[in-house]
Amino acid sequence: KAGVTQTPRYLIKTRGQQVTLSCSPISGHRSVSWYQQTPGQGLQFLFEYFSETQRNKGNFPGRFSGRQFSNSRSEMNVSTLELGDSALYLCASSQDGTYGYTFGSGTRLTVV
Amino acid sequence: KNEVEQSPQNLTAQEGEFITINCSYSVGISALHWLQQHPGGGIVSLFMLSSGKKKHGRLIATINIQEKHSSLHITASHPRDSAVYICAVRSLVVDYQLIWGAGTKLIIKP
Repeated sequence: KAGVTQTPRYLIKTRGQQVTLSCSPISGHRSVSWYQQTPGQGLQFLFEYFSETQRNKGNFPGRFSGRQFSNSRSEMNVSTLELGDSALYLCASSQDGTYGYTFGSGTRLTVV
Repeated sequence: KNEVEQSPQNLTAQEGEFITINCSYSVGISALHWLQQHPGGGIVSLFMLSSGKKKHGRLIATINIQEKHSSLHITASHPRDSAVYICAVRSLVVDYQLIWGAGTKLIIKP
């Protein structure tokens, strides 16, 4: 079966711009979680969506937002980009958020 | 103090050695995950444990709920095992949220 697909793989944006990242979960998975990974901070939880509802949220500013569609695909949006937002953004899907996470390959965002 | 602590942070070993990576946590959990991240970012979920021990090939994961501790062992290590190994726990306090360890960078030399 197809894995978790994240697009785009690489992205370069300018400070102040906004960006939208996409995550298509494994078919049948209803939970999608987003993570930011930086060399200094490791993996940090952004938020989790389940059946189109945000179920959990990490400690990130309001510039980071997300949504989930009825087909379980999820998007993450970052507005007013800052240099510190440069990171690898990973999404993970699972059937219900309690078992068997599968990660996508990530989107590497560089803010210049 | 972090809620999930991994040790060691870095580990270099020779091919064939038995490897142990430790994970200690301070919160009540419903499950613990071990994940592997290869250079380039790809993350693979290795195990999910709520008790006891699981084995897959050369990998063994154990958990002691009373002691709040888990270990990941690699037998007959190989250079292709070189990766970052990450422990994450699912908190009972904040439902559905994974709390991540900082990871252990493992290098296996031929």
